Amino acid sequence: AQSVTQLGSHVSVSEGALVLLRCNYSSSVPPYLFWYVQYPNQGLQLLLKYTSAATLVKGINGFEAEFKKSETSFHLTKPSAHMSDAAEYFCAVTSSPYSGAGSYQLTFGKGTKLSVIP
Amino acid sequence: GAGVSQSPSNKVTEKGKDVELRCDPISGHTALYWYRQSLGQGLEFLIYFQGNSAPDKSGLPSDRFSAERTGGSVSTLTIQRTQQEDSAVYLCASSLGISGPSDTQYFGPGTRLTVL
Repeated sequence: AQSVTQLGSHVSVSEGALVLLRCNYSSSVPPYLFWYVQYPNQGLQLLLKYTSAATLVKGINGFEAEFKKSETSFHLTKPSAHMSDAAEYFCAVTSSPYSGAGSYQLTFGKGTKLSVIP
Repeated sequence: GAGVSQSPSNKVTEKGKDVELRCDPISGHTALYWYRQSLGQGLEFLIYFQGNSAPDKSGLPSDRFSAERTGGSVSTLTIQRTQQEDSAVYLCASSLGISGPSDTQYFGPGTRLTVL
């Protein structure tokens, strides 16, 4: 079974500071990895996804993530935090393409709530 | 274009009552997923539809939960004899269903269910 672990349920950064949200995955086969953001009382919005085309993935709103197989990590970063980045962030993985199940449901981490301090 | 819509946005019900939650996916999306988000359990997969069939129901927590999809579009999640532990936000997502595990799933705003 595949899983993701997000280190830190809450992260606080100052406005303008680097944002680093950690995600480690567990998978016996190459995974497909996603970062979603959830604003209060809203659904999830895709920030970016890794599909093996490139290890450094750029997403929306200035976010990027780097896939590191040796570290089984897919950490999310943004050079300079804005107040509007305050939200909850979820790392997710889909099932192996070799499973034959046909269903590609997302398996989510527990989420990291990002606070931005003015 | 229109995104995934869900109704109602909020539902308060009494323990033991049945509820129906509706999802309208993005037009042309053949894959549809239901998830549940709760404080204790985080985000959990419930059921997957490809077209009108549901080849993966492995996430449904009990036989009180069922879902259907008609016309390859609208889906309804039904919870019978609701219990307090069913209180959660129910999220629906749809995707094109052509790229397998790399398909982007687009989420609706969710239905917040409260069972008193």
